[in-house]
Amino acid sequence: AQSVSQHNHHVILSEAASLELGCNYSYGGTVNLFWYVQYPGQHLQLLLKYFSGDPLVKGIKGFEAEFIKSKFSFNLRKPSVQWSDTAEYFCAVNAIGGGNKLTFGTGTQLKVEL
Amino acid sequence: GAGVSQTPSNKVTEKGKYVELRCDPISGHTALYWYRQSLGQGPEFLIYFQGTGAADDSGLPNDRFFAVRPEGSVSTLKIQRTERGDSAVYLCASSPDDRDTEAFFGQGTRLTVV
Repeated sequence: AQSVSQHNHHVILSEAASLELGCNYSYGGTVNLFWYVQYPGQHLQLLLKYFSGDPLVKGIKGFEAEFIKSKFSFNLRKPSVQWSDTAEYFCAVNAIGGGNKLTFGTGTQLKVEL
Repeated sequence: GAGVSQTPSNKVTEKGKYVELRCDPISGHTALYWYRQSLGQGPEFLIYFQGTGAADDSGLPNDRFFAVRPEGSVSTLKIQRTERGDSAVYLCASSPDDRDTEAFFGQGTRLTVV
């Protein structure tokens, strides 16, 4: 079975600061990787995904993530955060051929201060 | 509708009662997933349907939980003899199929058992 670890549970940043949220997974096979975001009062939305190919993937709103297979990591980055990035961020994986069911991390609550 | 719709958005019930939670997926999506999110945790997989059949129900916590999707569209999650520990947000997601594709989430139903 897969598991996902997100190391930072709460992060507070000032606007324009750089962001990196850690995500590590545990699974013996091949996985697809995702970052989902949940803005206050809204549903989970896909931020970006990695299925194959270039391990550096770019998502919406200037976010990017890098898949490092040797480290089982898929860290999320943004060079300059905005107040509107305040949200909860979830890393998730699914096993290829596993029916698309997701295993999520516990989430990171990001607060961006003006 | 344009997105995944879940009703009700909030449900308060007494311990021991029976509840039904409804999910209306995106039109044409053959795969439908139920997750449960407890406070401070990421969503946890419960069950998924490909078409009308439950392809994987390994996440259902016990036999008080049951889900159906009789016509391959709307799904109902049923919880019998509710317990206080069942209090959580129940999330539904759908995807075009159960291969390597993005899942789209609904707003969730917040269930409170008192």
